[in-house]
Amino acid sequence: DAGVTQSPTHLIKTRGQHVTLRCSPISGHKSVSWYQQVLGQGPQFIFQYYEKEERGRGNFPDRFSARQFPNYSSELNVNALLLGDSALYLCASRRQEGDYGYTFGSGTRLTVV
Amino acid sequence: AQTVTQSQPEMSVQEAETVTLSCTYDTSESDYYLFWYKQPPSRQMILVIRQEAYKQQNATENRFSVNFQKAAKSFSLKISDSQLGDAAMYFCAYRSWAGTYKYIFGTGTRLKVLA
Repeated sequence: DAGVTQSPTHLIKTRGQHVTLRCSPISGHKSVSWYQQVLGQGPQFIFQYYEKEERGRGNFPDRFSARQFPNYSSELNVNALLLGDSALYLCASRRQEGDYGYTFGSGTRLTVV
Repeated sequence: AQTVTQSQPEMSVQEAETVTLSCTYDTSESDYYLFWYKQPPSRQMILVIRQEAYKQQNATENRFSVNFQKAAKSFSLKISDSQLGDAAMYFCAYRSWAGTYKYIFGTGTRLKVLA
């Protein structure tokens, strides 16, 4: 079975630009979450979606937005990129029933120059 | 707000030996989950073990076990018979029982396994 897949794996953007990161969850997983991992830190929660609805949002500015599609895949959008947005962006999916822990993708490494 | 603290930035262990990684957390909640995740250089976070706070019995998964001390808010990970493939960053994470399925991660411990 395919795991959580994220695209692209690496990305370089210029300050002020916009970026879209994509995530496909494991088949049967209806919940997707996004995390930002700055170098040397633990992941920080950005968003959680379930059944196409936002179920939680972390302490991130409105420049960050996301959505979930009918096939449960998800996009994370970041507008007006800042140098501080450079990080590894992790997507994770899980079954809503119970909690067996998230399954994470390998992330998208975003570098803002 | 809940916090998770990992006070050991880096640990080393000899192959086949045992190592314990420390994690403390702060919460006013009585029901929650605790996790240990492993992040190798491939960047993918891999679930190692989980513990429900209402269970007194410590979780065990093969060579991995935890020492969960609820009153002390401590959740350490013991790796027995360490293998070279265990080398990675290890993150402790907390999740509330209800509400948003948000994980709060510690800053991680880098584990080196020496041959």
